[in-house]
Amino acid sequence: DAGVTQSPTHLIKTRGQHVTLRCSPISGHKSVSWYQQVLGQGPQFIFQYYEKEERGRGNFPDRFSARQFPNYSSELNVNALLLGDSALYLCASNLRTGGLTDTQYFGPGTRLTVL
Amino acid sequence: AQSVTQLDSHVSVSEGTPVLLRCNYSSSYSPSLFWYVQHPNKGLQLLLKYTSAATLVKGINGFEAEFKKSETSFHLTKPSAHMSDAAEYFCVVSRTNDYKLSFGAGTTVTVRA
Repeated sequence: DAGVTQSPTHLIKTRGQHVTLRCSPISGHKSVSWYQQVLGQGPQFIFQYYEKEERGRGNFPDRFSARQFPNYSSELNVNALLLGDSALYLCASNLRTGGLTDTQYFGPGTRLTVL
Repeated sequence: AQSVTQLDSHVSVSEGTPVLLRCNYSSSYSPSLFWYVQHPNKGLQLLLKYTSAATLVKGINGFEAEFKKSETSFHLTKPSAHMSDAAEYFCVVSRTNDYKLSFGAGTTVTVRA
C-alpha cells in the first residue's frame, strides 16, 4: 500500500505570495495532521482534521489555514508568506480509532523556501 | 500541557557499541510517548510507542525504550550501533488519543566506522 504522499516536494516562493501544499493520506485513514519543521528544530503541530472538520490547531497565525476533502486528502494554505515560513511541512495520517495501535504515519514533506 | 526535553543534541558512537539517547517528559495527563527517526531527505519513521502497557517497549531495528514514571524519563537504547543508524531522532509526547504530537528538539546520531 502507498504511504502518505505530499506534493510538491520542493517549492520556492517570494515574500507576500500565497502557497498551497497537498497531502494524500494512507488509504482508509480519515485523520490528517500538519506539522512545520524549521531547520534544526523538531516539528511543530499546525492543524489536525478528522472527517473534514478541524479538530485541533497549534499556535500559528491566521495566515495558515487548511481543509480536508471528502476523499480525506488535505490542503494547507499559507497567505502573505514571510521569510520565517521557510521550513519542511509534514503531513501525517492515522485511523483515529482511539486504539492503542493507532499511530500517525508521516509523509516525506514539502520543502518550502521563501525568498 | 505536555513537552519533552532531549538531553543531548548530538551523540557520536562507534559501530558495534551501545547507543543511549536521553529524553525527559512533562505531562499533566497520562502520556503516550514515542521515538521517531528521520533520515536525511526522508520522512519521519516510528521506532516505538509507549501507551501505558509494558514499561519496556521494543521497537524496530533493535531499538528499545524504558518508561520510568518516577524519573519522568523515556530513554532510547540499542545494544549495537550500525552505520545505518546515523540519523536524527525525536522523542515525542502526546496526551493519549489526542493525536497532537509534541516533539523534542532532536538528537543527531553519528556512527563512526
